[in-house]
Amino acid sequence: SQWGEENLQALSIQEGEDVTMNCSYKTYTTVVQWYRQKSGKGPALIILIRSNEREKRSGRLRATLDTSSQSSSLSITGTLATDTAVYFCATNPNYNVLYFGSGTKLTVEP
Amino acid sequence: DMKVTQMPRYLIKRMGENVLLECGQDMSHETMYWYRQDPGLGLQLIYISYDVDSNSEGDIPKGYRVSRKKREHFSLILDSAKTNQTSVYFCASSLGNSDYTFGSGTRLLVI
Repeated sequence: SQWGEENLQALSIQEGEDVTMNCSYKTYTTVVQWYRQKSGKGPALIILIRSNEREKRSGRLRATLDTSSQSSSLSITGTLATDTAVYFCATNPNYNVLYFGSGTKLTVEP
Repeated sequence: DMKVTQMPRYLIKRMGENVLLECGQDMSHETMYWYRQDPGLGLQLIYISYDVDSNSEGDIPKGYRVSRKKREHFSLILDSAKTNQTSVYFCASSLGNSDYTFGSGTRLLVI
């Protein structure tokens, strides 16, 4: 498996709070992609961080990548109820092929 | 609006029946994928297609086969469906190793 520790977890927070999700991976990757999957939908890419970047920001999202520990995190600041979703990190050790972690189920209570 | 379209959205089949899941994309992406998603697990790669008639097995190809005769269309076939193939199936396409676009999934129940 591409993945080390399981990153499947469920988080429940109140709207307005900040949240950080973590994932770790076993094999070298050129990028780490974070996807959000809302109920009944397919995953959608929300932020991508390359192996030569330590941090990437996009609006309320912030991704970090530590290639030495082979781990990545996704932070969301000022969460909204609409951020409720399952969040996956994914890597591509074999160029095109994308491997997904188990995901973090985030519930943001209004 | 660029998208990946999957048909059907919901499907119920009896064990032993053949199943055809279809996927189309309008972005002229060369690479397309089939994943399955089970509760508590991430998406598992079944097959990848690099272009027309250029397909490779993913991590869990057993019990599945694929067909890609046109760049915009990629089919997943289950010959003699089994109950453990009950799952949600996602098709995706990509431009290189980024810019993946997923469909909304097909929920398959095998009884």
